[in-house]
Amino acid sequence: AAGVIQSPRHLIKEKRETATLKCYPIPRHDTVYWYQQGPGQDPQFLISFYEKMQSDKGSIPDRFSAQQFSDYHSELNMSSLELGDSALYFCASSSQGQGGSPLHFGNGTRLTVT
Amino acid sequence: AQSVAQPEDQVNVAEGNPLTVKCTYSVSGNPYLFWYVQYPNRGLQFLLKYITGDNLVKGSYGFEAEFNKSQTSFHLKKPSALVSDSALYFCAVRDIRGNTPLVFGKGTRLSVIA
Repeated sequence: AAGVIQSPRHLIKEKRETATLKCYPIPRHDTVYWYQQGPGQDPQFLISFYEKMQSDKGSIPDRFSAQQFSDYHSELNMSSLELGDSALYFCASSSQGQGGSPLHFGNGTRLTVT
Repeated sequence: AQSVAQPEDQVNVAEGNPLTVKCTYSVSGNPYLFWYVQYPNRGLQFLLKYITGDNLVKGSYGFEAEFNKSQTSFHLKKPSALVSDSALYFCAVRDIRGNTPLVFGKGTRLSVIA
């Protein structure tokens, strides 16, 4: 079965640079979530989109923005990168119409800021 | 606000023995509860969920969890542990009243020793 696809798998950037992470949800899933997981930490919710509209906002810095496109893929844009932004970034998708539908996670993008 | 507590950072168990990974939760309304497993440098894999109905939920790889409303707990269990079960386990909760994102516990590292 198709899973959530994230690209790139690894990304190395320098401080103050920008980065764009991409997420392709499972087909027919209408909701996308972005999470950040620091080393040894639990995943922290950043932002979510339902039917291409922002539906919830968590601890996402103002330097970050995200959007969901007409084909339901989503991009997380990160600017003025800081060392502390080094983390695993996960995208997850679900179908809101199914109530307790679980989130299905991609394998993540490991961002290293040097 | 929703929250999850996993009181044990680490659980060690001998192969073939039963295992329990503890989780308690807090939500304003009724919960949707989930368990995920994470292997190194991988995304979170869905194990099982409690939505409604039978308090004992069975999931992937022989895992099960028991929902206890009075104790607000959702402990993960397996009758006979395998070395391959060694991983990081996350409990997560969302309130059924809205399309809210999952809130994760801090995670419990399970180590199964041969």
